[in-house]
Amino acid sequence: GAVVSQHPSRVICKSGTSVKIECRSLDFQATTMFWYRQFPKQSLMLMATSNEGSKATYEQGVEKDKFLINHASLTLSTLTVTSAHPEDSSFYICSARGGGQGQETQYFGPGTRLLVL
Amino acid sequence: QKEVEQNSGPLSVPEGAIASLNCTYSDRGSQSFFWYRQYSGKSPELIMFIYSNGDKEDGRFTAQLNKASQYVSLLIRDSQPSDSATYLCACGQGAAGNKLTFGGGTRVLVKP
Repeated sequence: GAVVSQHPSRVICKSGTSVKIECRSLDFQATTMFWYRQFPKQSLMLMATSNEGSKATYEQGVEKDKFLINHASLTLSTLTVTSAHPEDSSFYICSARGGGQGQETQYFGPGTRLLVL
Repeated sequence: QKEVEQNSGPLSVPEGAIASLNCTYSDRGSQSFFWYRQYSGKSPELIMFIYSNGDKEDGRFTAQLNKASQYVSLLIRDSQPSDSATYLCACGQGAAGNKLTFGGGTRVLVKP
């Protein structure tokens, strides 16, 4: 149980284009999903927290107009990187948390590697 | 500011030995503690969580929590080369809706 998928796993795009990344909880309902970014040899950086049906909460320094998050259902959250630039190239990872015992436990998706040319 | 501190390593361990990883946290309100393993180029995967003081064992892994000292550790017994990875410690406040605070991770190298 507690499987989280992400799509796509890898994307290469031109500078200025927008990229959408999907995060799905496959076998549980995720009341909360989190989006992280990780640069090479660095730790996870939380970008935002999204709750189903409400606006995402962004961490300090993360531009909400650049990183659009939509948590449309209890099993799907999307992150759209708008007008991507080379400095946005990174490993984007989502995690999902459901209810029940151990409800704080976050289960991570496999990540999406974004390369902006 | 809530902080979770880990030695970045690398922690070099001979195959078959015990790897001991340490984590300290600054927020006394932390109630839940997690260990994740992250292989190079992959996303983190949950190893175990612990909520109460003392030890919790799961296979070759043992998590130890001491809230008074604000210290949580992970022991890996009979270390295998496949255990070579970065281990992330994370702390939460035990209420729904709160995010986890992650440490920087400890890189472990198990040498055959």
